[in-house]
Amino acid sequence: NAGVTQTPKFRILKIGQSMTLQCTQDMNHNYMYWYRQDPGMGLKLIYYSVGAGITDKGEVPNGYNVSRSTTEDFPLRLELAAPSQTSVYFCASSYQTGSNEKLFFGSGTQLSVL
Amino acid sequence: GQQVMQIPQYQHVQEGEDFTTYCNSSTTLSNIQWYKQRPGGHPVFLIQLVKSGEVKKQKRLTFQFGEAKKNSSLHITATQTTDVGTYFCAGRSSGGSNYKLTFGKGTLLTVNP
Repeated sequence: NAGVTQTPKFRILKIGQSMTLQCTQDMNHNYMYWYRQDPGMGLKLIYYSVGAGITDKGEVPNGYNVSRSTTEDFPLRLELAAPSQTSVYFCASSYQTGSNEKLFFGSGTQLSVL
Repeated sequence: GQQVMQIPQYQHVQEGEDFTTYCNSSTTLSNIQWYKQRPGGHPVFLIQLVKSGEVKKQKRLTFQFGEAKKNSSLHITATQTTDVGTYFCAGRSSGGSNYKLTFGKGTLLTVNP
């Protein structure tokens, strides 16, 4: 199993450009998440999904959109990139929540908006 | 909303010294998880605690969940250079959304060989 795969690993955008961060998992996990990590600030939840066709906002959803058309894929869309979106983005998945929970993270996408 | 506070933010130790990081939640937690992130890497799951007062050990690492299920700690005995990284706790509120896991800001551990 490849686990959680994110692409690209690095990207530089100009202000106002758009892009999609790709995330795919091959573990048949129902739950998928997008986090952003700023230096010294931990992980902030952007969006999450509990299954194909179902998505919901996390703590910091403004400026982002997601879709979940399949169990495997959970892309994150930035429509009008802003410098405040410069960050490291992590996709994660888990089989379930509750008493037997374990998040698997992708290797991350480092995004700079200039 | 739920807040998870983690201290200290940084800790520098000599190899062989012990290390402890503490995690405190503003709300009662249904479970708490610990992750380790090596420099330049991604978070990797270490353990999950569910029961009040639970203590779990993984070799030199000891994890505790408080009796009130609002705090937790990670203790490393006799640190090694391989322990370098940022340790995050993540708590899931027992009364809130089932899908929102709140991460602490992490403790960055550096070890001087």
